[in-house]
Amino acid sequence: GAVVSQHPSRVICKSGTSVKIECRSLDFQATTMFWYRQFPKQSLMLMATSNEGSKATYEQGVEKDKFLINHASLTLSTLTVTSAHPEDSSFYICSARVVGGTEAFFGQGTRLTVV
Amino acid sequence: AQSVTQLGSHVSVSEGALVLLRCNYSSSVPPYLFWYVQYPNQGLQLLLKYTSAATLVKGINGFEAEFKKSETSFHLTKPSAHMSDAAEYFCAVSDGFPRAAGNKLTFGGGTRVLVKP
Repeated sequence: GAVVSQHPSRVICKSGTSVKIECRSLDFQATTMFWYRQFPKQSLMLMATSNEGSKATYEQGVEKDKFLINHASLTLSTLTVTSAHPEDSSFYICSARVVGGTEAFFGQGTRLTVV
Repeated sequence: AQSVTQLGSHVSVSEGALVLLRCNYSSSVPPYLFWYVQYPNQGLQLLLKYTSAATLVKGINGFEAEFKKSETSFHLTKPSAHMSDAAEYFCAVSDGFPRAAGNKLTFGGGTRVLVKP
């Protein structure tokens, strides 16, 4: 199957700093990528849909100025958590669909801890 | 709009016993349904998918699921549990024809499976 690589797998940052998470499709082109957030022992919550070459579409309640998404190429989308606070600590997961395919492929996830 | 309900947040089975994870969905369009497995601190791996072909779908690792339209269900089963099946399982529904790249997945709450030796 197609491979989605997410980096870093773990990151610890100080309150007030920004953190960038990368999501790459390694062997396919992804015009659309999805960013999810997962709290401990809970399901995945879709944060935004990232479209190559255009602005991301954010779900209701997600602050677009805090969670900046850039999809500069067909193989890379980035999520930047700006001015991070402890409540932003969570597991972030990206996914991508092969154009014309029926399934989404997921990255390994990023554990963000804000101290 | 679509939604997914997974009955039972935790399931405990003995090694070698049947695994049954329940999933019910609601969808305003013909559903496309998926089961994913998540191991600790990892992303999701697709177990199987239903995309309007055969109602009994076979997946990886010995799992299968049956789509029952009349019951709006897509329960996941495995005849004989293995220790390596201990993980979190998510049922998901697509909000439209999944070949459209922008169509989103809606996930159920997840079911954690514990396998006892």
